[in-house]
Amino acid sequence: ETGVTQTPRHLVMGMTNKKSLKCEQHLGHNAMYWYKQSAKKPLELMFVYNFKEQTENNSVPSRFSPECPNSSHLFLHLHTLQPEDSALYLCASSQGLQLYEQYFGPGTRLTVT
Amino acid sequence: GQQLNQSPQSMFIQEGEDVSMNCTSSSIFNTWLWYKQDPGEGPVLLIALYKAGELTSNGRLTAQFGITRKDSFLNISASIPSDVGIYFCAGHQGIQGAQKLVFGQGTRLTINP
Repeated sequence: ETGVTQTPRHLVMGMTNKKSLKCEQHLGHNAMYWYKQSAKKPLELMFVYNFKEQTENNSVPSRFSPECPNSSHLFLHLHTLQPEDSALYLCASSQGLQLYEQYFGPGTRLTVT
Repeated sequence: GQQLNQSPQSMFIQEGEDVSMNCTSSSIFNTWLWYKQDPGEGPVLLIALYKAGELTSNGRLTAQFGITRKDSFLNISASIPSDVGIYFCAGHQGIQGAQKLVFGQGTRLTINP
């Protein structure tokens, strides 16, 4: 049903591991986003890419490194994470022009041990 | 960062009842969006509003773009068990070139059968 897919859906990693989250959109959109959603907190925007260019970095720690090789794919590379980084990581996409509706993927539930 | 004030934070209702929730801001928004999020999933777009005063329906859901452009309302008629979830409002301020949305804290809806 959703035009935005995310893998993996669940990830458990130690603080010294390196892993990557993947997002793919099949909607022909030009803007993609990473959000962090923690329990009892509002959605936190992390990064915005518009036409493959990063246009927003919301003071995200460098242990999170985004990559956008093309308008359909977005990655979030993770390394040396902390337990407080455990959360649901959501990817979204939008047309990138005058329409601001964002369409979300199902998310990756990340647990840092 | 800026945040929309969404109320109520939670609602406990009986099946079949109507539901009303709202979102307010001290700033003007040019776009209002309403999303629903089920546990462990990403938010799903329900309704998008682009004009002040606009009233839009999606099945049993009706949303309105406030005439002052500083608020929006979502109503659900004749609630059913699958309406359970968290409802988020989101707004865009119409700043050209800026893609990011501002989100409310969410309204958690619980339905007693």
